[in-house]
Amino acid sequence: TQLLEQSPQFLSIQEGENLTVYCNSSSVFSSLQWYRQEPGEGPVLLVTVVTGGEVKKLKRLTFQFGDARKDSSLHITAAQPGDTGLYLCAGEGTSYDKVIFGPGTSLSVIP
Amino acid sequence: KAGVTQTPRYLIKTRGQQVTLSCSPISGHRSVSWYQQTPGQGLQFLFEYFSETQRNKGNFPGRFSGRQFSNSRSEMNVSTLELGDSALYLCASSAGTSGDNEQFFGPGTRLTVL
Repeated sequence: TQLLEQSPQFLSIQEGENLTVYCNSSSVFSSLQWYRQEPGEGPVLLVTVVTGGEVKKLKRLTFQFGDARKDSSLHITAAQPGDTGLYLCAGEGTSYDKVIFGPGTSLSVIP
Repeated sequence: KAGVTQTPRYLIKTRGQQVTLSCSPISGHRSVSWYQQTPGQGLQFLFEYFSETQRNKGNFPGRFSGRQFSNSRSEMNVSTLELGDSALYLCASSAGTSGDNEQFFGPGTRLTVL
């Protein structure tokens, strides 16, 4: 069974601080996605990483896919209150089109 | 382009009842996936429909079923509701083809079972 773990589970930081959240698995994923979900809304896709070692940047967000395609990290520089939300990683596994989600990291950025 | 819509947004039912939730995908998308989100279990995959056929299924009991219509709209049904079925039910639509399977989520239906 493929599982994704995320850490930390909760994170509360001051505006302007940097942070990193992690997504780990013992399984290999063909691709990995990061989503942000705000209260009362569905998750919104931020990025998809496909190649081991890949680094993608989206403004102040930097995503990295591990060399072995088993883990990923999301780094936010100079966090802002608008970054508050639940960050979910999701892996596209080896079974056809099945997507597995991690439990999420709940981020709160305090002004 | 209109996004994914789900109806109703909120629903309260009692144990033993059944419920039907509806999802309208983005125009042109042929794949609809359903997920259950709870604080304890996170987001769990229920099933995916593509061109009116169930293409993939998660590990949920048979009380959870779905279908997709020719216009790609999908419904999910839960029979004999249990307290543990209280959750946010999300649907996601995508083109569903290899190389174009980015999922777009709806706002969800919040189901409370009393």
